[in-house]
Amino acid sequence: KQEVTQIPAALSVPEGENLVLNCSFTDSAIYNLQWFRQDPGKGLTSLLLIQSSQREQTSGRLNASLDKSSGRSTLYIAASQPGDSATYLCAVRGTYNFNKFYFGSGTKLNVKP
Amino acid sequence: GAVVSQHPSWVICKSGTSVKIECRSLDFQATTMFWYRQFPKQSLMLMATSNEGSKATYEQGVEKDKFLINHASLTLSTLTVTSAHPEDSSFYICSARVAGKYQETQYFGPGTRLLVL
Repeated sequence: KQEVTQIPAALSVPEGENLVLNCSFTDSAIYNLQWFRQDPGKGLTSLLLIQSSQREQTSGRLNASLDKSSGRSTLYIAASQPGDSATYLCAVRGTYNFNKFYFGSGTKLNVKP
Repeated sequence: GAVVSQHPSWVICKSGTSVKIECRSLDFQATTMFWYRQFPKQSLMLMATSNEGSKATYEQGVEKDKFLINHASLTLSTLTVTSAHPEDSSFYICSARVAGKYQETQYFGPGTRLLVL
C-alpha cells in the first residue's frame, strides 16, 4: 500500500526566506505527483503537477522536483511571503489506479512578517 | 478553470439525524466524482468513488450503508451521512474528474464541515 510522508509537519520562517518542503512515498510506481495548498477550513488548490516521466515543474516562485526512483519530491518556495502561510499537501496517484490520490499529512507553513 | 462547489459549507446536526452534502461541477461534466474525509490535523482519505449512473465504489473500512452516495447526473453527486454520530464530525471534500480532454485532472471542492452534537 502506498504511504506518503511529509517532513516537517510544521515550519515557521521569516518573510523572504527560501524554503524546502519534503515529500516521500513508498511505492515508486506512480502515475504522477501533485502539490496542493490548503488554507484553514478550505478546500485544496492545486499548485504543481509532475508526471512520472518528468523531473520538475515550475510556477512562479514555486519549483517542485521528483525523483521517482528514490521516492522523493521537494517543493521549493523562493522568497517566501506571509500570504504563503498555509498547509501544503503532496499527493501521488498510482499506476494501477490513477483515480486514487494518496495524500501526505501535510506541512503547515507559517511565514512571519 | 473548472469549478467544483459544495453545499452546505457548514452543517451542525443532532446525533441520529441524516445529513446530505452536495457536490456540483459548475462548468464541466464529471463522469467520476470522489469523496474524501479529513479529520483534524490529518490528511485526506478517500472514502468512495462514484461514477455517473452506477453504484459507488467504497474504500476499505468505509460503511456504504452509512455513507450513501448518489451520482445521478454528470454535474451532481451527493453524500448522505445517515444516522450521524459525533465520530462522523469531519471535513468532507469532493473532487471531480473532468471528462474528455483533461481526463487526468481532478478539481476539488471547497469542503463541507460537519459537526454532529
